[in-house]
Amino acid sequence: GNSVTQMEGPVTLSEEAFLTINCTYTATGYPSLFWYVQYPGEGLQLLLKATKADDKGSNKGFEATYRKETTSFHLEKGSVQVSDSAVYFCALKTGTASKLTFGTGTRLQVTL
Amino acid sequence: GAGVSQSPSNKVTEKGKDVELRCDPISGHTALYWYRQSLGQGLEFLIYFQGNSAPDKSGLPSDRFSAERTGGSVSTLTIQRTQQEDSAVYLCASSAPGPLVEQFFGPGTRLTVL
Repeated sequence: GNSVTQMEGPVTLSEEAFLTINCTYTATGYPSLFWYVQYPGEGLQLLLKATKADDKGSNKGFEATYRKETTSFHLEKGSVQVSDSAVYFCALKTGTASKLTFGTGTRLQVTL
Repeated sequence: GAGVSQSPSNKVTEKGKDVELRCDPISGHTALYWYRQSLGQGLEFLIYFQGNSAPDKSGLPSDRFSAERTGGSVSTLTIQRTQQEDSAVYLCASSAPGPLVEQFFGPGTRLTVL
């Protein structure tokens, strides 16, 4: 079956620090990979996605590269802001199935 | 336009009672999903509706859980004889047809079973 493993949180960083949130996956078939973000009091939002190996998804300064050889999709940002404080979820879907398989989420707290 | 809406935003119930959770998808979205977000379990898929096709119920945890989608729009998730382990945030999402289109999520309903 499909599964997603992401690093335990919370992750606490100072503003302007470099962020990495690790995500690895197992999948039957060729997955598409996603990062979703949940800001406090808001619904889940798609942050970025990648649909094939070596693709790089990017949005709002965040990036993640689809690494098939290591089955990973790590989320990075060069300089985090307080407004990036949220819970980040790595997810995948395979084949024609539309349901998403999520990781457990990583809470990021950015302080001044 | 309006996003996915869910009601109620919070629901507190007693063990053994039935509850109904409602989802209004984005107009024109033919696909509708229910997920559950609980401590220690992350986000779990529950059920998926696509147009007039039979729903994918593979994620429903027990026969106490059911969902319907009337007229291809509004959906109701029903939990019968609620248990404490049903306490979670129930999320609804909708999308246009297609395997790679974005799913848009509602704010969720927080269910607490006492």
